[in-house]
Amino acid sequence: AQSVTQLDSHVSVSEGTPVLLRCNYSSSYSPSLFWYVQHPNKGLQLLLKYTSAATLVKGINGFEAEFKKSETSFHLTKPSAHMSDAAEYFCVVSDGGGYKLSFGAGTTVTVRA
Amino acid sequence: NAGVTQTPKFQVLKTGQSMTLQCAQDMNHEYMSWYRQDPGMGLRLIHYSVGAGITDQGEVPNGYNVSRSTTEDFPLRLLSAAPSQTSVYFCASTLTSGEAETQYFGPGTRLLVL
Repeated sequence: AQSVTQLDSHVSVSEGTPVLLRCNYSSSYSPSLFWYVQHPNKGLQLLLKYTSAATLVKGINGFEAEFKKSETSFHLTKPSAHMSDAAEYFCVVSDGGGYKLSFGAGTTVTVRA
Repeated sequence: NAGVTQTPKFQVLKTGQSMTLQCAQDMNHEYMSWYRQDPGMGLRLIHYSVGAGITDQGEVPNGYNVSRSTTEDFPLRLLSAAPSQTSVYFCASTLTSGEAETQYFGPGTRLLVL
């Protein structure tokens, strides 16, 4: 069985400051992990994915995530937040095929000017 | 490519009514899935299909039916709508069954059941 826990339901940051979104996962197998972003009233966009090739994964728009097996974590970071980063972010795990994803509850990011 | 398309964008139903949410993809993807999104719960898998003629249940299948007669289309049917089915529904497709394969999501259908 697979599951994801996003440790923060809401994160508020000032523009230009770092962003950290925390995610812990549970999986019976060696999982694949993803971060998706959803802007208000929009669909989901893939930010990045971990495929066991490298533990530090770089994504779009300056985001990156580090896979830590010992801590079962896959935290998402960005060095400097931009107003356009205000959105909801989902950590996702797959250990049963890429068509069967388990989503975390989501973290809403607010960026203050 | 249009990618994954969904119709309608928004629908209001009365309790007990039936309807079909349409999903189509033009990427020749074998694998397709339906999810529902509710506040504070992320997305949950309803049904999925691994190819034409083959479907299976996900995490929350009750109250929904699916079929897959072609590779391109994967409609989701609500036989008797209930207020608990008020949600945003997303269809997704994937090229292969690989665990790291990216899913492509449609724009969503917002459903309100009164």
